[in-house]
Amino acid sequence: GQQLNQSPQSMFIQEGEDVSMNCTSSSIFNTWLWYKQDPGEGPVLLIALYKAGELTSNGRLTAQFGITRKDSFLNISASIPSDVGIYFCAGPGKGTSYGKLTFGQGTILTVHP
Amino acid sequence: SAVISQKPSRDICQRGTSLTIQCQVDSQVTMMFWYRQQPGQSLTLIATANQGSEATYESGFVIDKFPISRPNLTFSTLTVSNMSPEDSSIYLCSVEGVAGPSPYNEQFFGPGTRLTVL
Repeated sequence: GQQLNQSPQSMFIQEGEDVSMNCTSSSIFNTWLWYKQDPGEGPVLLIALYKAGELTSNGRLTAQFGITRKDSFLNISASIPSDVGIYFCAGPGKGTSYGKLTFGQGTILTVHP
Repeated sequence: SAVISQKPSRDICQRGTSLTIQCQVDSQVTMMFWYRQQPGQSLTLIATANQGSEATYESGFVIDKFPISRPNLTFSTLTVSNMSPEDSSIYLCSVEGVAGPSPYNEQFFGPGTRLTVL
């Protein structure tokens, strides 16, 4: 099946630093979604990308849909303690049935005050 | 986005028993989905809950183990049957969003049900 390779697996940073994580796939994705999951909660959608090359921001978050449609990155600027959590990329691969999302393995972010 | 609630939020169950998880949405949605998140792992789709018809299961998941009901457009249940410790996971329901230009719209998740099987 389709797989998303997400990196890095974990990050330990100081408050105020910028963060970058990315997702790659061997197959084309039509949509890239970035979620954040806090402990004990369900994932919350941060950013949705629909077009190759699209660059979208949501506050301190910026995400881009790669030109090849096989990759995406998420940047967080000026990190704060509440950015702690697990970040997942996800998307429906080309040719998959409606609603079937594939998730990356997740990036665990720890922010030290 | 829709407001999604799940019951129970967590449970500890004995091996061999079954647990039914409920998912309630505050608006009518066509598509509802059930995911499993094993400890320290990512999310894996179990099945799509279809209103008025049988659920559609993903490879590796079967109806006898994870029976699903979808009696209306705002509610679904997932039962984890004949549980074993390997079933200890977070079970999440999700619904599709209504915004976005793509036919593959965003999904929004409930808070999850944390299941521990002893």
